[in-house]
Amino acid sequence: DTAVSQTPKYLVTQMGNDKSIKCEQNLGHDTMYWYKQDSKKFLKIMFSYNNKELIINETVPNRFSPKSPDKAHLNLHINSLELGDSAVYFCASSQVTGITSGANVLTFGAGSRLTVL
Amino acid sequence: GDSVTQMEGPVTLSEEAFLTINCTYTATGYPSLFWYVQYPGEGLQLLLKATKADDKGSNKGFEATYRKETTSFHLEKGSVQVSDSAVYFCALGLSGGYNKLIFGAGTRLAVHP
Repeated sequence: DTAVSQTPKYLVTQMGNDKSIKCEQNLGHDTMYWYKQDSKKFLKIMFSYNNKELIINETVPNRFSPKSPDKAHLNLHINSLELGDSAVYFCASSQVTGITSGANVLTFGAGSRLTVL
Repeated sequence: GDSVTQMEGPVTLSEEAFLTINCTYTATGYPSLFWYVQYPGEGLQLLLKATKADDKGSNKGFEATYRKETTSFHLEKGSVQVSDSAVYFCALGLSGGYNKLIFGAGTRLAVHP
């Protein structure tokens, strides 16, 4: 059973389209994340939800909208796709044992490669 | 601001060679430090971690020691294998930050037989 699963694994689309990436975790974790990995492998956090509440929202264009219907799911919807959105998007989850702790381990999904033409 | 700096890759080694990947950090407070590994086509996996100064994390023959005086967390392995070929990410976890991990740029390791 995959702990953190993302769909689709690959997504090729035209500029201007709207697309979604779905993420589900079966670990019982209370916190989920979206990270973006660019072509140089640099990873940057985009969003984080704790128990369906948005807690981290980095400087991301408002074309990106996360949605967490329950604590096991965190989906990413992207409007009006641009060439620069091409990247690998990783979902991750963790159990936050305390808001003061930075020691908790993240479990990552396998990634969703988005290519905008 | 908080940041992580890793040595640039790629690092190319022969099998059984000694590996060091340097990592230094800048952070306020007392972060936790991590090494994650990304094998080709896969997501990141935790390799090891250390949560306080002088802690040593170890796993699969890899080791790293949390050095507060030099703000470093260098990754080492005594004898690498072809199967260790991957991208290695150093990261810091900030206390009070809901597990916001800040990653270094990643270092690609290629091990040849």
